[in-house]
Amino acid sequence: DAGVIQSPRHEVTEMGQEVTLRCKPISGHDYLFWYRQTMMRGLELLIYFNNNVPIDDSGMPEDRFSAKMPNASFSTLKIQPSEPRDSAVYFCASRRDRARETQYFGPGTRLLVL
Amino acid sequence: DAKTTQPTSMDCAEGRAANLPCNHSTISGNEYVYWYRQIHSQGPQYIIHGLKNNETNEMASLIITEDRKSSTLILPHATLRDTAVYYCIVRVAFTGNQFYFGTGTSLTVIP
Repeated sequence: DAGVIQSPRHEVTEMGQEVTLRCKPISGHDYLFWYRQTMMRGLELLIYFNNNVPIDDSGMPEDRFSAKMPNASFSTLKIQPSEPRDSAVYFCASRRDRARETQYFGPGTRLLVL
Repeated sequence: DAKTTQPTSMDCAEGRAANLPCNHSTISGNEYVYWYRQIHSQGPQYIIHGLKNNETNEMASLIITEDRKSSTLILPHATLRDTAVYYCIVRVAFTGNQFYFGTGTSLTVIP
């Protein structure tokens, strides 16, 4: 298996632009997580899905952020409009099921909003 | 989930054992101890987890005290590639809930 795949790996955009981050979880995994990492706040969970259904989005900063999981093999995290404070590394992770705890992380997307 | 306390940073000589401590004095009976690490510019990586017995796998050993209020992650023969931030996480297992990663311990393996 290729592991969790994220794209793009790097994104530079201007304030006000829409940003879409993509994630392909490991095949057969029921859970998908979106995290954000900054120097100031560390690694924070934004939202997670179970069987494509959003379960907890309490970590989503504000209405500018939205996440979808239209099927078991694809998820997006969208920021519209983007702001400089959104600059961070965004990680996607997946987990097989409720009984198996290990989360497998993707390589991350490094976002810079100018 | 119980709060954990870890040293901010540690150094270890290459080839020696790295012992990373974690305090979790408020841990409850159904909470497991998990360890992840994050190598620079990569996503976090699972290392090991346990409930109350000591655990060992190909990466590391986990020693949990009898009262479960603290634990130690042991990397038996540290290499330069083990330089990373190590996170100790305590949570109830099989709940489907998130991990709170905290600030972790930055381990530097010195040649």
